[in-house]
Amino acid sequence: EVQLVESGGGLVQPGGSLRLSCAASGFTVSTNYMNWVRQAPGKGLEWVSIIYSGGATYYADSVKGRFTISRDDSGNTLYLQMNSLRAEDTAVYYCARAVAYNGMDVWGQGTTVTVSS
Amino acid sequence: DIQMTQSPSTLSASVGDRVTITCRASQSITVWLAWYQQKLGKAPKLLIYKSSTLQSGVPSRFSGSGSGTEFTLTISSLQPDDFATYFCQHYNGFPWTFGQGTKVEI
Repeated sequence: EVQLVESGGGLVQPGGSLRLSCAASGFTVSTNYMNWVRQAPGKGLEWVSIIYSGGATYYADSVKGRFTISRDDSGNTLYLQMNSLRAEDTAVYYCARAVAYNGMDVWGQGTTVTVSS
Repeated sequence: DIQMTQSPSTLSASVGDRVTITCRASQSITVWLAWYQQKLGKAPKLLIYKSSTLQSGVPSRFSGSGSGTEFTLTISSLQPDDFATYFCQHYNGFPWTFGQGTKVEI
């Protein structure tokens, strides 16, 4: 079964760091375009970052320089390292697979990040 | 950045109704547009990609159309399971952006 399972969310103080993980099963992370998308409480969806199969990465302006997307090919896991966290980073974070520019077809259940003192 | 604007923000409808949601891009995105359905507390679900291609397993009552800057999602006969929030998303260059969402309610 094709599946994504996120973990690593929690409560962190402003300025702190957190690393999210997204474990994939049923397909190979390294041969797909993998994304992070977030949703602040009661708000819409915001694309955060992508890592291409070739390793190229792109970020939303709101997280550029603070967040880093990466993957562990042997562990078939996607990561999001989040530094210098702000209150406005509070959201449910989803990982999602994009297949060759055909939309994001597989999503995880989400992990909640709360940035608060 | 390309801005995506959906209308309406909220739509009241009944079972059996034909429903149309519009998504406008601030500049041409050719056909690089996807539609997602999201229910409360759940992850989004891909419905349509490349403007009009139905994702596998999605009922045929869902359809998409458009190119350039104007796109529509149509539900031909609204079913009880379709009451949800719908988002459009472009993927014509970075950053990808979503519309603000359209809530379809009874």
